[in-house]
Amino acid sequence: AQTVTQSQPEMSVQEAETVTLSCTYDTSESDYYLFWYKQPPSRQMILVIRQEAYKQQNATENRFSVNFQKAAKSFSLKISDSQLGDAAMYFCAYRSGSGGSNYKLTFGKGTLLTVNP
Amino acid sequence: NAGVMQNPRHLVRRRGQEARLRCSPMKGHSHVYWYRQLPEEGLKFMVYLQKENIIDESGMPKERFSAEFPKEGPSILRIQQVVRGDSAAYFCASSPRRGLQETQYFGPGTRLLVL
Repeated sequence: AQTVTQSQPEMSVQEAETVTLSCTYDTSESDYYLFWYKQPPSRQMILVIRQEAYKQQNATENRFSVNFQKAAKSFSLKISDSQLGDAAMYFCAYRSGSGGSNYKLTFGKGTLLTVNP
Repeated sequence: NAGVMQNPRHLVRRRGQEARLRCSPMKGHSHVYWYRQLPEEGLKFMVYLQKENIIDESGMPKERFSAEFPKEGPSILRIQQVVRGDSAAYFCASSPRRGLQETQYFGPGTRLLVL
C-alpha cells in the first residue's frame, strides 16, 4: 500500500519570505499523481497544485511550485513571497495512475504553516 | 457554478443516535467520494459512489456505516448508533468522471461531534 509522509508537523515563515514543505511517499508504481491541498481555518480543502509522475517538469501555480524528485520519491512544495492568507494546514496526497483504485487519494498527516507578519 | 455542498456543517449527536450527512456534488459531476478526517490526521478514503452504484466501500467500517447516491438528490453518508470514536470531519469530493485526468473537488466538510 502507498504511504505519504510529511515529516514537519509545523513550520513558520515570515511574510514575503519563502518556505518549503516536505513530503515523501512510498510506492512501487511508476504511474501516479501527486497533489498538495491547503486546509485553512475554515477547514475547506483547496487544491493548490498537482503533478503527474510522467512529467519531468515541475508544476508551478503562481507563487506555488514543487520540487518533484521521482527517484527519491520526494515531492516538496515551495511557497514564495508568503502571504498571511497562506497560513493553513497543508496536505500532500498521492493517487495511483493505474489499476482499479486510481481514484483513491492517500493523504499525509499534514504540516501546519504559520505566517508571521 | 456552485462548488460541492455539504450539510450540515456541524452536527452534534449523543451516543446511540443516527447521523446523516449530505453531499451535493458540483453540477455535472456524477462521481462522489467520502473521506474521514480524525483529529490531527490526514483524510482517509471511505467510499466511492456513482449515481445509484457503490463502486468501492473498502474504506468504510463494515458495521453502522452506509452510503448512497440516488438517481435524484444528494449523496448520503449514514452512521447508525454513533459512538464517540465517530467524532471527526467528514469530507465529500466530486469529479465529473473517473478518468485519470480528473481532479477531486472537495466540499467544506461536516464536523460530527458525538457526546
